[in-house]
Amino acid sequence: KQEVTQIPAALSVPEGENLVLNCSFTDSAIYNLQWFRQDPGKGLTSLLLIQSSQREQTSGRLNASLDKSSGRSTLYIAASQPGDSATYLCAVIPPPGGLGARDYKLSFGAGTTVTVRA
Amino acid sequence: DAGVIQSPRHEVTEMGQEVTLRCKPISGHDYLFWYRQTMMRGLELLIYFNNNVPIDDSGMPEDRFSAKMPNASFSTLKIQPSEPRDSAVYFCASSRRIAGASYEQYFGPGTRLTVT
Repeated sequence: KQEVTQIPAALSVPEGENLVLNCSFTDSAIYNLQWFRQDPGKGLTSLLLIQSSQREQTSGRLNASLDKSSGRSTLYIAASQPGDSATYLCAVIPPPGGLGARDYKLSFGAGTTVTVRA
Repeated sequence: DAGVIQSPRHEVTEMGQEVTLRCKPISGHDYLFWYRQTMMRGLELLIYFNNNVPIDDSGMPEDRFSAKMPNASFSTLKIQPSEPRDSAVYFCASSRRIAGASYEQYFGPGTRLTVT
């Protein structure tokens, strides 16, 4: 069974500092890895998706890396802003097992709650 | 596209009442997922459908929970009878799983259920 861990559970930084969020998973046989952002009382917004064949993916100030062999992904947020305050979750997407296969379940980490102080 | 649509956004009901949550997935998506999120247990997958057919309902907590997907654009999650421990935020998500697709999941805004 895939286990996904995110450390730390919470992080507080001053505005302008770079953020480093970690995600580790136990089974390296993944298809893709997805990073989400969740604001209080809101749904999950997809930030980045890294395919298993990729090493990293970038979007604006966000950069996510993936090391399948070591079971790790890192989300970097450059020059943090108070608006980056949220909970960040990573989720591992398993490889396809055929049409209708009972394997299409994302495994989520518990999230890292980030506070960026103005 | 408007994204995944859920209704109602908030539901407050008394113990023993029936609750029905609704979801409209993104057009063209062939997978639909129901999740529940609580502080204690985090995000849990309840059930998912492929082409309107339930594939895995092993996450459904009890027989009081049932889900249907009568067509590609609508799904319901029903709780009957509801209990206070069912209080949570319920999310619907959809995805497209075809050759070459990324299988990225898109979430709705959620329904916050409070059972008193």
